[in-house]
Amino acid sequence: NAGVTQTPKFQVLKTGQSMTLQCAQDMNHEYMSWYRQDPGMGLRLIHYSVGAGITDQGEVPNGYNVSRSTTEDFPLRLLSAAPSQTSVYFCASSTIRRTGANVLTFGAGSRLTVL
Amino acid sequence: AQTVTQSQPEMSVQEAETVTLSCTYDTSENNYYLFWYKQPPSRQMILVIRQEAYKQQNATENRFSVNFQKAAKSFSLKISDSQLGDTAMYFCAFMVGSGNTGKLIFGQGTTLQVKP
Repeated sequence: NAGVTQTPKFQVLKTGQSMTLQCAQDMNHEYMSWYRQDPGMGLRLIHYSVGAGITDQGEVPNGYNVSRSTTEDFPLRLLSAAPSQTSVYFCASSTIRRTGANVLTFGAGSRLTVL
Repeated sequence: AQTVTQSQPEMSVQEAETVTLSCTYDTSENNYYLFWYKQPPSRQMILVIRQEAYKQQNATENRFSVNFQKAAKSFSLKISDSQLGDTAMYFCAFMVGSGNTGKLIFGQGTTLQVKP
């Protein structure tokens, strides 16, 4: 099925551990992004990419790394997890339109708990 | 800074009635886009409706419509004939420009409960 696939759906980490949240899309979208969702704060942009080899920081990038080696994949890495990174993470992608709105397609989300 | 504010953390409505969710935003840009997303308990983010700022006409999608007041920077969502399946969190979101600058800024969300 076409769409954005995130893995894992749930993960529990201990403080200081590292992990990677995977995101893959099969729609040939140039734009991919990661958001975190926290109660009362909506969704906040962590990092985004407009194509393979190109990444940039969003609103809350500290503590997270990304890379974009292929068009399809955009993994999010936590190098040393902290309790403040407990959140629900969403990957989203879209085509890049020269005019008009980019309508994002979201993955199902990954709930991360850091103890 | 560009911000989106949803001042109603929670709302409820009786089935078949109409409800309006509020959203205000702040920007100095002239070219932007506004969205409403729905997040049911499944956690999936679903696009409900979108509006281009340069269009005067309010967007409509079946039972969902918006009241876009550009001068007031207001973008409310009206749900008519509410159904139990409309129970969800609703997010207002804002995007400046398009292409490489198409980053989405979200409001805090409004939890809507539709009561039978």
